[in-house]
Order: sequence, then structure tokens, then C-alpha cells
Amino acid sequence: AQSVAQPEDQVNVAEGNPLTVKCTYSVSGNPYLFWYVQYPNRGLQFLLKYITGDNLVKGSYGFEAEFNKSQTSFHLKKPSALVSDSALYFCAVRDKDNFNKFYFGSGTKLNVKP
Amino acid sequence: DAGVIQSPRHEVTEMGQEVTLRCKPISGHNSLFWYRQTMMRGLELLIYFNNNVPIDDSGMPEDRFSAKMPNASFSTLKIQPSEPRDSAVYFCASSRTGTGLGNEQFFGPGTRLTVL
Repeated sequence: AQSVAQPEDQVNVAEGNPLTVKCTYSVSGNPYLFWYVQYPNRGLQFLLKYITGDNLVKGSYGFEAEFNKSQTSFHLKKPSALVSDSALYFCAVRDKDNFNKFYFGSGTKLNVKP
Repeated sequence: DAGVIQSPRHEVTEMGQEVTLRCKPISGHNSLFWYRQTMMRGLELLIYFNNNVPIDDSGMPEDRFSAKMPNASFSTLKIQPSEPRDSAVYFCASSRTGTGLGNEQFFGPGTRLTVL
């Protein structure tokens, strides 16, 4: 079965510092991986995805993610955090065998302090 | 494009009443998903449709829940009778799917349901 894991419920970082939100996956074959962000009282918004090609994927709001096949990871990163980045972040994998279905992680709350 | 549209945005009802949540997916998208989000259980997939056909409803909690997609531009999620434990935010999402496509899902703003 396909799955993703987000090992940290919460990540705290100071504004201006780099941030990393971790995600590991378990899939058969090559994965389709995604990151979403959810601000309070809002729906999930797409940030970026890895389908194939370059392992470093760039997305919205200065975020990027690195696909690491050997470590089965897809960590979300940003070189310099902003207070406005504080939100809930979800990693997701798309099941290629059941092409429509997404599996979401449990979410990581990012707190960026001034 | 207006994005995924959900109505109502907020619903407060009493236990035992019927609740109907509505969703209009993005035009051209052929897959539609219903999710439920709570603090305790996080984000749960309830059911999804592909080309208006229910593909997997294993996430529907019990027979009180039902979902329909009569056409490509409309879906409903119904709870009858509602219970306080159904209180949650319900999201609808849509995407385009097909061989070779790694398309992301687009989420609606959600319906916040409170059952008293």
C-alpha cells in the first residue's frame, strides 16, 4: 500500500532561518509526490510536486523540495523562513496503480517566530 | 477559473437532521474527492469519483453517509441522520487524471459542519 509519513507534528524556526519539514514515503514503483499548505480556516493549497526529472523541485512562495530515492524522502525546504509561512503542511503521494487516489500525511505545523 | 466551489461554508444543525453538502469541481476535471478534517483524526478521504463513477468509498464512516455525482459539474455528500461526532470540516477536491498525468488536487474552501 502507498503511504507517507511526517515524523514531526510541529516544527519551530526563527524568522530568517532555513526551514525543513520532513516527509518519507512508501510506494511501489516511481512515486508522484506533492506538498500542500493549509492556512487557518482555509482549504489545502498546492505548493509543489515531483513527477520525474530533477530531484530538486521548486514551488510557490520560495519553497522547494528534494526527492531522495535512496532514503525514500521528499523533504520540504526554504532557505529563509517568514512569519507568514506559519501554517499546516501536508505531504502526499499519488497511487499510480490506483491512479486517482492520494494518500496524505498527518500534517506538520510550522511555527515561524519573529 | 473560480476554483472548487463548496456550499454552504458553514452549517449548524441539530442531531438527527439531514445535512447535504455540495461541491462544484473545476471545469474539465474528471476526478472528485470528499475529505473530512478533524483535530483528532486529521485529514480523511471519504470517497472519490472518476468520471462521475464512485471508485472507492471505503472511507465513508457508516451508512449514514452517502455521496452522489449526477454529472461532471456537481456532487453532494449527505449525512442522514447527523450526529455530534460528524462535526468537522468537509473538503471537496478535484483533479484531472489519466495515464501519465501527475496532476495535483485542487481543494475547495471547505464546509464547517457543527452538529449540536
